[in-house]
Amino acid sequence: SAVISQKPSRDICQRGTSLTIQCQVDSQVTMMFWYRQQPGQSLTLIATANQGSEATYESGFVIDKFPISRPNLTFSTLTVSNMSPEDSSIYLCSVPTSGRRDTQYFGPGTRLTVL
Amino acid sequence: GENVEQHPSTLSVQEGDSAVIKCTYSDSASNYFPWYKQELGKGPQLIIDIRSNVGEKKDQRIAVTLNKTAKHFSLHITETQPEDSAVYFCAASKRPNAGNMLTFGGGTRLMVKP
Repeated sequence: SAVISQKPSRDICQRGTSLTIQCQVDSQVTMMFWYRQQPGQSLTLIATANQGSEATYESGFVIDKFPISRPNLTFSTLTVSNMSPEDSSIYLCSVPTSGRRDTQYFGPGTRLTVL
Repeated sequence: GENVEQHPSTLSVQEGDSAVIKCTYSDSASNYFPWYKQELGKGPQLIIDIRSNVGEKKDQRIAVTLNKTAKHFSLHITETQPEDSAVYFCAASKRPNAGNMLTFGGGTRLMVKP
């Protein structure tokens, strides 16, 4: 399985500010996925980050609110912009394994609290 | 799109007992069904998965069964231990697309009482 790290692990932010979350993988992967997990809830896919092209966003998520970068095959960032308390969630990145592409492994997550 | 329902939302068992978590899915084209365990403060960890060409898979104390006709799959944990306490998520997707999207169930909080 891939080793995935995320920074920061947690943060407390003020309303109206932005936070950039980093995801680093120990191997090259074509796709990286960003999920949101609201308090006590399940995981919802925000977008798929493709290297060399724009991210693909799921219904209900827009680039202006959640801009994503994917500068190389081992790294991606997700920015949560103009934050409100409703953005308080755990943000997770995941990657498919190199062998079986349908198997996804998750990073440890970034716990965001917006005041 | 795919919809995955998971039951129960909470489950409390005595140590040593078995635990069963059930999921149903809506899209008959789904063919990959992973289960994740999430401990407090951690990301989800893949514990077992099953593909639609098999009906059952076992790994030590955990097993997953799949009924394609009824579109449901279940996680079975035998001889539960306190360290099995966590939130468990089922998911479904259509493979082998490299851009595979997982649709998750709502989660089950399992509590194993010593």
